[in-house]
Parts: sequence; structure tokens; C-alpha cells
Amino acid sequence: DTGVSQDPRHKITKRGQNVTFRCDPISEHNRLYWYRQTLGQGPEFLTYFQNEAQLEKSRLLSDRFSAERPKGSFSTLEIQRTEQGDSAMYLCASSLGGATEAFFGQGTRLTVV
Amino acid sequence: QQQVKQSPQSLIVQKGGIPIINCAYENTAFDYFPWYQQFPGKGPALLIAIRPDVSEKKEGRFTISFNKSAKQFSLHIMDSQPGDSATYFCAASNPLTGGGNKLTFGTGTQLKVEL
Repeated sequence: DTGVSQDPRHKITKRGQNVTFRCDPISEHNRLYWYRQTLGQGPEFLTYFQNEAQLEKSRLLSDRFSAERPKGSFSTLEIQRTEQGDSAMYLCASSLGGATEAFFGQGTRLTVV
Repeated sequence: QQQVKQSPQSLIVQKGGIPIINCAYENTAFDYFPWYQQFPGKGPALLIAIRPDVSEKKEGRFTISFNKSAKQFSLHIMDSQPGDSATYFCAASNPLTGGGNKLTFGTGTQLKVEL
């Protein structure tokens, strides 16, 4: 499968715990995006990498959130001290260059209890 | 401030009908307008996309109509089938931000195609 891969698909965690999600983009894609989607809404942009550099972050990305893309390949999104409001689908997308097709992964569904 | 407004929120059509979903945008810097299809529990999948230099684009049963002066675009699904039942999102991006692929999404339209 050469699409965008996300792991895990589902995560249930207790409030206050830390969680980490992984995204493996399509191999030749240099741009990687993280989005958050809550029920009944469209995805909202969180952050973007070009290769290993994190070039833009949304105001939605509070200081409890951190994302990395070491070596410009896979990316991780960590949420520290999770809150119930963090419950959402976290989507990763990748693209080759700008203003071209962005391909989304299946997402990680986070539930904070 | 919502930058891409989508309507209707939900839509039911009969098999073979032509559902139409509309979107309006505010940011004149947007220059790429894709439509995504999403099934429950899955990530969005690109259906078709258009740039402002054309007024219409067709791919298979899907057509985008684009009105630059009105800042509106719409998705038409020809000969709709029950398998088209999904949530559809319009989106837009500005080439100067987010590497050109920072997408601003509409709120989605839940489409149901009945037999």
C-alpha cells in the first residue's frame, strides 16, 4: 500500500495522559500536513512540514501539542496532558510540492475519557 | 471567521438524480478548489479539483462549476448511485500559505442516495 498511513487507528486515553500518533506519508512527498476533525465538521489545519522543517502552525495547536518530522520522512504528533476537548479525528495528509493533490490518511480517532 | 461556506448541510436524492452542493468563499487569494469525499471512519479522498482559470471541469460523473466573480463553486454528481452516499467537503487553498496546500474546508454535506 503506497498511500498515507496513520497509526494507531483508534486511541482511548484517560484525561491527563500523553498520546503520540504517527504518520507515514507517501514516500516521495516532501510536504506533510496535520489536521483535526471533530464530529460533523470539516478538517481544520494544525501544522505543516516541508521536509523536516515545520513551517506553519495554527493557533489551534496549543503548547500541549508538538509535532516533529525527523529526517523529513514520517511525522509524529504528541498531545500532552490530554483534555476531553482533544477528542477528535487527527488526519495526516501529504503532497508533492505545493498546490497539488493532497492525499489523506485514514486518521487516528482519539477519545479522551 | 469561516472562509468557506457550504450548503446544504444534508441532501437526499433518488438513484439517478443529480445532487448539487454549493460553496462560497471570501478570500480572493484562494486559487485551488478541491472536493473531497469522506465515508464514516475514513479519511477524506480527493474527488475533483479546479483552478479559477476555468469555469467547469468534468471527471467521470463529477462536475465542478466555478464562478470567480461570485466567488462560488459547486459540485454536481450525475446519475447518482447509493454508493455515492457519503459526506462531501469543498475546500480551498491559498498558494502563499501552508506550502500551497493548507486547505480550508467547508462544513460538509451529508449525501444520501436512495434506491
